[in-house]
Amino acid sequence: AQRVTQPEKLLSVFKGAPVELKCNYSYSGSPELFWYVQYSRQRLQLLLRHISRESIKGFTADLNKGETSFHLKKPFAQEEDSAMYYCAQSYNTDKLIFGTGTRLQVFP
Amino acid sequence: DVKVTQSSRYLVKRTGEKVFLECVQDMDHENMFWYRQDPGLGLRLIYFSYDVKMKEKGDIPEGYSVSREKKERFSLILESASTNQTSMYLCASEGNYGYTFGSGTRLTVV
Repeated sequence: AQRVTQPEKLLSVFKGAPVELKCNYSYSGSPELFWYVQYSRQRLQLLLRHISRESIKGFTADLNKGETSFHLKKPFAQEEDSAMYYCAQSYNTDKLIFGTGTRLQVFP
Repeated sequence: DVKVTQSSRYLVKRTGEKVFLECVQDMDHENMFWYRQDPGLGLRLIYFSYDVKMKEKGDIPEGYSVSREKKERFSLILESASTNQTSMYLCASEGNYGYTFGSGTRLTVV
């Protein structure tokens, strides 16, 4: 079965520190990978997708097929980055398989 | 902006009741999905639909069914609610730029 693994349930950093949210996937083909974010009391929304190769709100993610990883990174965390982050993968069809999520807490 | 509207933000139902969760999208998307979101488990796919009157089981379909009579509306049905179905339910619609989620329905079964 396809699986997306986010090993950290909670990641706490201070403002200005670098952030890396880990994500590993299991699909051996050519997956599409995504990061979704859910801020407090807001709906889940797309942050970025690997095919776009863009930076959103200072976040980037690189697909590493050798390590089957799609880690989310930001060089300097901001308090407003505090949220729940989900890595997701689609394969063959349009179904998205989500990881269990990582809560990012950025302290002032 | 694509809008995905879930009719209820909070619901409290009794064990054994039949429960309907409604979801409407306004962008003529063909693909719609129902997930449940639980702490520590992430989002798990219950059912999805690629077109009117079409439905496919997701990873955890047991105890649920769906209805897609019109393209814009995708309903999740709990035939006989149980306490282990207490959860946050998220509906999503898929367009060219990925999924758009509704704001969720928090269902409590007592």
